Parts: sequence; structure tokens; C-alpha cells
Amino acid sequence: QKEVEQNSGPLSVPEGAIASLNCTYSDRVSQSFFWYRQYSGKSPELIMSIYSNGDKEDGRFTAQLNKASQYVSLLIRDSQPSDSATYLCAVKGEGFQKLVFGTGTRLLVSP
Amino acid sequence: DTGVSQDPRHKITKRGQNVTFRCDPISEHNRLYWYRQTLGQGPEFLTYFQNEAQLEKSRLLSDRFSAERPKGSFSTLEIQRTEQGDSAMYLCASSLNRGEQFFGPGTRLTVL
Repeated sequence: QKEVEQNSGPLSVPEGAIASLNCTYSDRVSQSFFWYRQYSGKSPELIMSIYSNGDKEDGRFTAQLNKASQYVSLLIRDSQPSDSATYLCAVKGEGFQKLVFGTGTRLLVSP
Repeated sequence: DTGVSQDPRHKITKRGQNVTFRCDPISEHNRLYWYRQTLGQGPEFLTYFQNEAQLEKSRLLSDRFSAERPKGSFSTLEIQRTEQGDSAMYLCASSLNRGEQFFGPGTRLTVL
């Protein structure tokens, strides 16, 4: 069983729509959760972090965490073509410093 | 620019050669991490430093790999006797204590 699972996509949405990206993790004691955006050929860029159950909003981005279901999601409102990228979910376990990444979901936003 | 920097950005080498990469973290960050990413995969953890101490190493880090952070500032990652399977993007990240990790631009290694 993979530690962090994401649908590889691509997830295609029209410009202006809400994109919903999902991630599940296997380690129940995971404490910290992150979403990174990665453009083709570039390095990951941190866009959201979330540490407690519920929603966290930052501009057009909302991260949602449900530790009981071991599920974290990222919503992108008013999607733009410039949001087209691979979105990586990363998890950090209690007492550990390393990030464990999923394989990423490719998002395509069409004009 | 005060972000994480890495050098070189690209490296092409022949199998069996040694290569060394450098990472300069964000200046006030005391923790530095190395990851490796291959096509279609997420980054995989290799090792991390707190100041000059190397505190964790992945099983992915074979004996041919060595990392140092001699003065608790920049870090180097050396790969000896490179193999084609070492071809990947090598990513460095830094953080302040247990805070968020910020990545550098990466070094893309191609082993011929």
C-alpha cells in the first residue's frame, strides 16, 4: 500500500470552474499536510499547509483535512489556465522530518 | 533572491564518473533536505541535516551517495561511480526548525 495516494489524472476543468484535488494517506499518526504545485520541468512550490481538521483558505485555494478518514483535499476556485500543473500532496509523520509525497495529480484548465 | 539555490542546474555525465551538487538554503533556515525525483513520481527523501549534523538517511542513499553540510550553511551531495539509474532531478529544500520546506530549482542529472 502506497503511503500517500493521488489520482494521477489528468483532471480537466474549464476556466472559471472549481478544481477538486484529493489525497489519501495510510499513516494514521501523520501530523502535517502540504500541497505543492509543480510546473513541468520546474521544482515543487509550496501553496498550502494544513495541520488540523477542517478547512483552511488562502485566496483561491482551500485545503481540507479529515484525519478520521485520512483524507486531505485542495480546492481551487475560479481556475485559470495558469493553474495547469501537477499538484503534489505531501505528508509528514509525527516525529519525522521527511515529507512523503504522492505521485501528483495533473490539472489541465482549458480557456 | 533569498530562496534556496542549487548548482549546477543541469549535469550530464558518463556512467562511472563522480558528480557533486551544491545547495545553498534560505539564510536563516537551520534544516536542509535532499530529495530525488524521477519522471512521473513525487520527490523521494534522501537525507536531512539540522545545522551540520546529518540526522536521517534514507535506504535509497546507497554507499555511492554522500552528503555533507560542514558549517551548517551550504550542503553538497556527491554521487560516486554514477549509474544510469541515478538519472533524476535532485532537489534541495530548507526549513526553519520543523516549519514548511521550501525547494530550490533542482539539479537535473543525466547519466549516459
